[in-house]
Amino acid sequence: KQEVTQIPAALSVPEGENLVLNCSFTDSAIYNLQWFRQDPGKGLTSLLLIQSSQREQTSGRLNASLDKSSGRSTLYIAASQPGDSATYLCAVTPNTGFQKLVFGTGTRLLVSP
Amino acid sequence: DTGVSQDPRHKITKRGQNVTFRCDPISEHNRLYWYRQTLGQGPEFLTYFQNEAQLEKSRLLSDRFSAERPKGSFSTLEIQRTEQGDSAMYLCASSLVSGMNTEAFFGQGTRLTVV
Repeated sequence: KQEVTQIPAALSVPEGENLVLNCSFTDSAIYNLQWFRQDPGKGLTSLLLIQSSQREQTSGRLNASLDKSSGRSTLYIAASQPGDSATYLCAVTPNTGFQKLVFGTGTRLLVSP
Repeated sequence: DTGVSQDPRHKITKRGQNVTFRCDPISEHNRLYWYRQTLGQGPEFLTYFQNEAQLEKSRLLSDRFSAERPKGSFSTLEIQRTEQGDSAMYLCASSLVSGMNTEAFFGQGTRLTVV
């Protein structure tokens, strides 16, 4: 059974810092990996999707990497801003049967001005 | 707005009542998913439609839950005889499966509180 773990569970940084969020998964047979942002009480916003054949994806100040063989992904946020404060969720699509997302429990990020 | 739309955003109901939620996916998307999220946890898969066909249901989806997607467009999720344990955020997502790209887009969710 695929399990996704995110470390740390919570992170507090001052504005301007670069930071890394970690995601690990137990089964490397994945179709892709997706990073989401969730604001309190809201739905999920897709940030980046990495196909299993890719090593990384970039969007603005965000860079996500994928090492499928070791079951790890990182989300790098450059020059953090208070507006980045949210919960960041990692999810994998197992490469078996139909394609549902298996989520981690998220990292709650607080960026202080 | 061309994103995934969910209605209502919030629902408070008494235990034992029935509730129904609606999801309107992005118009050209052929897959629609329902997830449930409790406080401090990641979303958990409930069920999935390919066009109008319901292809998979999680064990989380007891016989009190039913989902439909008539004509492969909007979807409804009904919970009968609600229990306090049903209190959660119910999230809908859609995707257009095209080659390797299965990126999922989520709605704002329906927060259910059973009192």
